Amino acid sequence: DIVMTQAPLSVSVTPGESASISCRSSKSLLHSNGITYVYWYLQKPGKSPQLLIYRMSNLASGVPDRFSGSGSETDFTLKISRVEAEDVGIYYCGQLLENPYTFGAGTKLELK
Amino acid sequence: EVQLVESGGGLVQPGRSLKLSCLASGFTFSNYGMNWIRQAPGKGLEWVASISSSSSYIYYADTVKGRFTISRDNAKNTLYLQMTSLRSEDTALYYCARHLDFDYWGQGVMVTVSS
Repeated sequence: DIVMTQAPLSVSVTPGESASISCRSSKSLLHSNGITYVYWYLQKPGKSPQLLIYRMSNLASGVPDRFSGSGSETDFTLKISRVEAEDVGIYYCGQLLENPYTFGAGTKLELK
Repeated sequence: EVQLVESGGGLVQPGRSLKLSCLASGFTFSNYGMNWIRQAPGKGLEWVASISSSSSYIYYADTVKGRFTISRDNAKNTLYLQMTSLRSEDTALYYCARHLDFDYWGQGVMVTVSS
């Protein structure tokens, strides 16, 4: 199984500042079709997860452009610029390259 | 508007069975693969099972293989998860989510396995 390792497990950010979350996969997530199948989801308190970034760097519909995703074949970063109160929650990276699909343990973002 | 609404959860004794449903609306259900993903209390996300749009391809996590069955009825826009031989470790909030990108999730349905 592909293991997804996130860091840090928690981050405290001052509103208006930026935040970065890292995710590393145990295997390349680059498919032969040129697409890298890493995803980022945000689970706000008491809510279902919502898609933020798909296929490493594509912003999901309705997601503010303060969010961005980048990376290589095995190392990925979610960056949030100008953090707002609505960004609080747990961020998960996930791989949808192959079964079993797997997720990182999550990174809890809170405000200072 | 895409909507996924799960139902069928509840409290069940170990070893018993339960069937979850996920009613889809706002998109052409028969064009999309679907998934079940669960989240134990206070824990992270665990993918459970996937089914392709025509039910030709089905995959399970090792933790549920042989005990859970994913299925769908495209005429009823509904996804199912038949769970048998339930264990305490199956206690979780179960979400259905649309393939390919898990771009839409339901609100989740709670399954509690306890005597």
